[in-house]
Amino acid sequence: QVQLVQSGSELKKPGASVKVSCKASGYSFTTFGIDWVRQAPGQGLEWMGGINTKTGNPRYAQGFTGRFVFSLDTSVSTAYLQISSLKAEDTAVYYCARRRSVTGTGDWFDPWGQGTLVTVSS
Amino acid sequence: SSELTQDPAVSVALGQTVGITCQGDSLRSYYAHWYQQKPGQAPVLVIYGKNNRPSGIPDRFSGSSSGNTASLTITGAQAEDEADYYCNSRDSSGNYVFGTGTKVTVL
Repeated sequence: QVQLVQSGSELKKPGASVKVSCKASGYSFTTFGIDWVRQAPGQGLEWMGGINTKTGNPRYAQGFTGRFVFSLDTSVSTAYLQISSLKAEDTAVYYCARRRSVTGTGDWFDPWGQGTLVTVSS
Repeated sequence: SSELTQDPAVSVALGQTVGITCQGDSLRSYYAHWYQQKPGQAPVLVIYGKNNRPSGIPDRFSGSSSGNTASLTITGAQAEDEADYYCNSRDSSGNYVFGTGTKVTVL
């Protein structure tokens, strides 16, 4: 079945970096984009941006430029989210999701990875 | 801040019908899609496009839209439907955006 499996929880100190992986299976990886969504503790969902898995071209939402980098390794059907210079306010669950696009219907996210909790604390 | 606004919370008696709304100007141009999120779990798509259910989603879930408002209706709510629900579409710049979320309590 189609699924996205993310790497495990991370505990990092302020100023460090973290790299979260999202491994896809059950479909052709380069057929659909992968997007990233942040959920801070007790908060809603926030779209961070995504990456075109055919071209590797990333797109970042406002507020997620500079310290956030999306990348791919198509040989292992895996997308990555790297966050540098971590701050306490980066503490959140980060989800990857496959982006489906159909003309006339729009773009939606299905399925989602299980989420990766990144905790930034000294 | 989100350009898609949802009521923070709604409640529904077991077996009754509840509607969740999502308001935003961009919904005049784009469909809303709906996700269910239970505590400690990843979101799950329940409705996409005009009114499409992914495989495995019960037919008590349905979607509709009028003007700047999209709606998710649960007809005959079950205990397992208690969750947070988020709409998702595009904003005025064409970027993706999620609604503020609605907590559904089944009484």
